[in-house]
Amino acid sequence: GAVVSQHPSWVICKSGTSVKIECRSLDFQATTMFWYRQFPKQSLMLMATSNEGSKATYEQGVEKDKFLINHASLTLSTLTVTSAHPEDSSFYICSARWGITQYFGPGTRLTVL
Amino acid sequence: ELKVEQNPLFLSMQEGKNYTIYCNYSTTSDRLYWYRQDPGKSLESLFVLLSNGAVKQEGRLMASLDTKARLSTLHITAAVHDLSATYFCAVDKGSSNYQLIWGAGTKLIIKP
Repeated sequence: GAVVSQHPSWVICKSGTSVKIECRSLDFQATTMFWYRQFPKQSLMLMATSNEGSKATYEQGVEKDKFLINHASLTLSTLTVTSAHPEDSSFYICSARWGITQYFGPGTRLTVL
Repeated sequence: ELKVEQNPLFLSMQEGKNYTIYCNYSTTSDRLYWYRQDPGKSLESLFVLLSNGAVKQEGRLMASLDTKARLSTLHITAAVHDLSATYFCAVDKGSSNYQLIWGAGTKLIIKP
């Protein structure tokens, strides 16, 4: 139980384009989903917290107009990186909360050329 | 501001040995989590510790929590190569959304 999927697992895009990443809780309904970014050999950096049907709460320093989050249902949240630039290249991981525990998706490796 | 410190950040050890990873946090929290991450992969939940004195064990891993000392430990007994990974502790911020504050992670390499 408590499986979270993420799609795509990796994506390469050109600078200036937008990329959408999907996060789904497969066997439970997630009240809250989180989006993280992880740089190589570093810890997780929380980008935003989203609750179904309401606007996401972004952490300080995260541009909400650049990283658009939509939490359309209790099982789906999407992160859109708009007008991507090479500095946005990173490993993006979502998690979905079930009870008191966050369960993580497999991550999406984004490379912006 | 809640801060979480892990040490050591890097640990190389021989199979069969015992070792402990420490996780200190700066303010009171109700919940502490341990996760494992394999290279290039996502995070796997290992333990959730909810109260002072809580101890949980799974195989060769045992986690404990001392809320008075604001300290959690992850003890590895008779390490095997398969336990090589990066281990993170995370502490609940106390928000209604159960947001976590993360330690820097401990990269554990176990040599045959």
